[in-house]
Amino acid sequence: DSGVTQTPKHLITATGQRVTLRCSPRSGDLSVYWYQQSLDQGLQFLIQYYNGEERAKGNILERFSAQQFPDLHSELNLSSLELGDSALYFCASSVVDGGWHTEAFFGQGTRLTVV
Amino acid sequence: ILNVEQSPQSLHVQEGDSTNFTCSFPSSNFYALHWYRWETAKSPEALFVMTLNGDEKKKGRISATLNTKEGYSYLYIKGSQPEDSATYLCATNSGNTPLVFGKGTRLSVIA
Repeated sequence: DSGVTQTPKHLITATGQRVTLRCSPRSGDLSVYWYQQSLDQGLQFLIQYYNGEERAKGNILERFSAQQFPDLHSELNLSSLELGDSALYFCASSVVDGGWHTEAFFGQGTRLTVV
Repeated sequence: ILNVEQSPQSLHVQEGDSTNFTCSFPSSNFYALHWYRWETAKSPEALFVMTLNGDEKKKGRISATLNTKEGYSYLYIKGSQPEDSATYLCATNSGNTPLVFGKGTRLSVIA
């Protein structure tokens, strides 16, 4: 158990809808990262938050947004969903601020299926 | 865009065999190299993080080496066991920027 909790584990929704994915980082970790794993793709970095502030942004679509709350949990909001948004969405956390030289701890992911 | 290549894409070995796979990346402006193990239905789990050319790290039967000048890292598994079956992910970056992951090497160890 990595200590990172993601909910829900599975989500099936229709095109055009909006969903929220939730992540609770490991106790004490201030950085939260969101990744997308699509079929036959490597993990794609979406966005990072550190202690409530956005720190780094990847190729995150404008239809997607995220935030980190004072209790350090994070939410990834996906709106106007398309079939191509079907993927496994991972959250990861680490202690340091943007320290890409330290290991990250991953949750088990949320499997999103858009129909 | 940083390109991280992992080979082979998949691998089947017999229990007890030793094996290795490769992660290739651009050597310019190297910052860090991560290896993760991802078992089906579980979270990716960090194995090693390496930052210096020539780094060698070991955890049990698994070890990794890093060559930043030529842009590659090897992951070795000695005496493979069925529980080693997983996808092994490599990730790196250029400067202090978000990691770019390879597509992984899927290892199956046959008892």
